[in-house]
Parts: sequence; structure tokens; C-alpha cells
Amino acid sequence: AQSVTQLDSQVPVFEEAPVELRCNYSSSVSVYLFWYVQYPNQGLQLLLKYLSGSTLVESINGFEAEFNKSQTSFHLRKPSVHISDTAEYFCAVSELRDYTLSFGAGTTVTVRA
Amino acid sequence: DTGVSQDPRHKITKRGQNVTFRCDPISEHNRLYWYRQTLGQGPEFLTYFQNEAQLEKSRLLSDRFSAERPKGSFSTLEIQRTEQGDSAMYLCASSLFDRNIQYFGAGTRLSVL
Repeated sequence: AQSVTQLDSQVPVFEEAPVELRCNYSSSVSVYLFWYVQYPNQGLQLLLKYLSGSTLVESINGFEAEFNKSQTSFHLRKPSVHISDTAEYFCAVSELRDYTLSFGAGTTVTVRA
Repeated sequence: DTGVSQDPRHKITKRGQNVTFRCDPISEHNRLYWYRQTLGQGPEFLTYFQNEAQLEKSRLLSDRFSAERPKGSFSTLEIQRTEQGDSAMYLCASSLFDRNIQYFGAGTRLSVL
């Protein structure tokens, strides 16, 4: 079984500042890795994913995450945040076997002007 | 493609009553997942279907919970004899069999009084 730890429950950040959300996982087998975002009163939306290949993955709105197998981490970064990035962010992993997702507890990002 | 649809969005019930939620996946998605999300936590896997077959159930899915996907299209999740601890957001997601990308609905928020 796999588990996910998001090391920060709340991250306040000023607009145009960088942000990093930390995610560590544990699993005895190979996994896929995901970041989902949940805006207020909305469902979960896929932000980016690592399935294979390049360990650095990017989203269309400026986020990036790097898979580090030796440190079992998949941290999410954005060099300059906007007010609209205020949301809750969830890191998730799935095994190749059945694709069911295990989520971390989430990190609430609050961007202030 | 209208995305994953869940109905109702909100349900308030009294302890001991039965409730049923519906999920309509993205058309042609043959995998359908149910998750439960409590306040301050990430979603937790409950069960999933491939077409009409229920392939895995979490230990979280007590005998008061039952899920069906009779024709391999929409799915229902029923909770019998609801308890206050059942209060949560119930999320549905769907995916293609050979694609490890799950698309989530907006969820059904259950409040048990």
C-alpha cells in the first residue's frame, strides 16, 4: 500500500512571489504521481502528472513538479503566483496495478496582494 | 463532453435514514471510482468499477454502503442507516481503462443530522 505526506497544511504567499508545496510518498512498487487542485466550491482538477519519462513535468498555467525517486518526492513549484492560484492542492499517487489514487491531506495556498 | 456529473450536490438527512447518490461518468469512460473526503483531509478511495464489474472495495466501505453500476454507465452509491460519521463529500471520478488519468465530479456533500 502507498501513502502520501504533504508537509505543509497551509501556505500563505504574496502575489508574484514563488511557492513550493512539498509532497513525499511511500510505496513498495512503481507509482504514478499527480497534483490536483481544488478551487473553492469546485471539484478536483488535474494540475499535472508524472507517468514516465522526464522527471520534470509542467502545467499550462506555470506550475511544475519534479519526480525524485531517491527521495520519494514530487514537490510542486511556481515561480510567481497570482491571486487566482488561491486553492487547495492535493498530491496523489497510484500504483500501476489498479490506478486507485491515494491522496495527501492537502495544502491550502492563500495568495495575498 | 459534459464531464463527470453528480447528483445531488447537497443532501441533508437525519441519522438512520437511507440516502442514494448518482454519478454519471464521462461517456465511454469504462472505469468509475468513488472517494470520500472529510473536512481537512484528502479524498479516500472507497470502490471502483470497470464497466459493470466492481473490482475493488476499500475497508472503509462498511456493509451499510453499497455501490452499483448496472449497465456500465452511471453508478449509484447507497448508504443505509446513516450515521453522523458519514457526513462528508462523496466524489466520483472516471477514466479510460488504459489511461491513468481520473476526472472528478463536483461531489455530493452529505450532512447527517
